[in-house]
Amino acid sequence: QSVLTQPPSASGTPGQRVTISCSGSSSNIGSYTVNWYQHLPGTAPKLLIYSNNQRPSGVPDRFSGSKSGTSASLAISGLQSEDEADYYCAAWDDSLDNWVFGGGAKLTVL
Amino acid sequence: EVKLVESGGGLVKPGGSLRLSCAASGFTFSSYNMNWVRQPPGKGLEWVSSINTPSDYIYYADSLKGRFTISRDNAKDSLYLQMNSLRVEDTAVYYCVRGGVGAQRIDVFDIWGQGTMLTVSS
Repeated sequence: QSVLTQPPSASGTPGQRVTISCSGSSSNIGSYTVNWYQHLPGTAPKLLIYSNNQRPSGVPDRFSGSKSGTSASLAISGLQSEDEADYYCAAWDDSLDNWVFGGGAKLTVL
Repeated sequence: EVKLVESGGGLVKPGGSLRLSCAASGFTFSSYNMNWVRQPPGKGLEWVSSINTPSDYIYYADSLKGRFTISRDNAKDSLYLQMNSLRVEDTAVYYCVRGGVGAQRIDVFDIWGQGTMLTVSS
């Protein structure tokens, strides 16, 4: 059972907007920034969003992040087939003195 | 090119030991916190351990304390993970991951290696 809770799956058709949620607590998301990672099977995970809503260089602006209280969200607009991947949220947890990941959400582009 | 290359994975019997290595290149290794993250087959990402630049702040996932030891050699641009008393549930792809230059709790895992597979089985 992951400390950060994500839906196991999400789906959308090309061009649609999809959101993936990440729910935590006051000891993690409520106190620290959230980062998001994209992972395609067989490849290295990739940093997608950092500090709640910042995009690294090279990440399309179709990807956006937000945070409110103890929850965070990743939004993907203009969905494309190459967006099919697993998406993970992560944050530091003060009570554990650990980094914690969400369980991952598998995005399917229908 | 910024790069992390893991090595040392393989097949180990339960109770055995193994040391993973990670060779860094293309950046000033001694300036960055470093981490290990793993992914068991069919499961999600799991953070394993973090070490800061002078190796005086080290953190481990609670489930691993006492069995795994993270270390680094800044002169050799290398990160290590010594794993003892290995269990079947330690079977996973282990990724070497670059953190940030400040406090580890605000790290951003921005560079990931391709991973090395550890299989623990009798």
